[in-house]
Amino acid sequence: GQNIDQPTEMTATEGAIVQINCTYQTSGFNGLFWYQQHAGEAPTFLSYNVLDGLEEKGRFSSFLSRSKGYSYLLLKELQMKDSASYLCAVRGITGGGNKLTFGTGTQLKVEL
Amino acid sequence: DAGITQSPRYKITETGRQVTLMCHQTWSHSYMFWYRQDLGHGLRLIYYSAAADITDKGEVPDGYVVSRSKTENFPLTLESATRSQTSVYFCASSESGLRDHTDTQYFGPGTRLTVL
Repeated sequence: GQNIDQPTEMTATEGAIVQINCTYQTSGFNGLFWYQQHAGEAPTFLSYNVLDGLEEKGRFSSFLSRSKGYSYLLLKELQMKDSASYLCAVRGITGGGNKLTFGTGTQLKVEL
Repeated sequence: DAGITQSPRYKITETGRQVTLMCHQTWSHSYMFWYRQDLGHGLRLIYYSAAADITDKGEVPDGYVVSRSKTENFPLTLESATRSQTSVYFCASSESGLRDHTDTQYFGPGTRLTVL
């Protein structure tokens, strides 16, 4: 099975940089996803890592270390609209290799 | 392009009643998933389907039934609703089960279910 840990809440200032960490233990690894979820809305895809290293996509970057079971999501130039929950999810190797196990999410609050 | 839709968006029912939540996707994605989201638990997989007529249990399947007679539809039925099934239910779909970046799961808008 899989176990995923991420902080429950974080607060940051508009314009700043914030790093949201995710650690996982898994019996089979086939990629790690980050999703953003605004209150009352569906999760939306942000990033995907399957190999070690950094993936950059505009203001958002995601890093993966498979040997350490560790990932982080880096948000730069924070905006008020970035206030949301950020979900870390690990894809396993059973069920056709497409089942996701989600962490409980990190609620990010961006303040002025 | 409607994408993935769920109905109803809100539902209030009583303990013991049967409830069916609908999910429809227009992408012809092979995989479809049902999750429930509760405070403190995050998203938990209830059932998933790799193709029409192929379904399998997820992490929390008890009390739920699914079917998939057509690729585009994946209804979730609560046979006898209980208060513990009060939750937000999300349907999702993805293109395939291959080890490929395009297998991102895309989520529907959710159904907020309250069981009294």
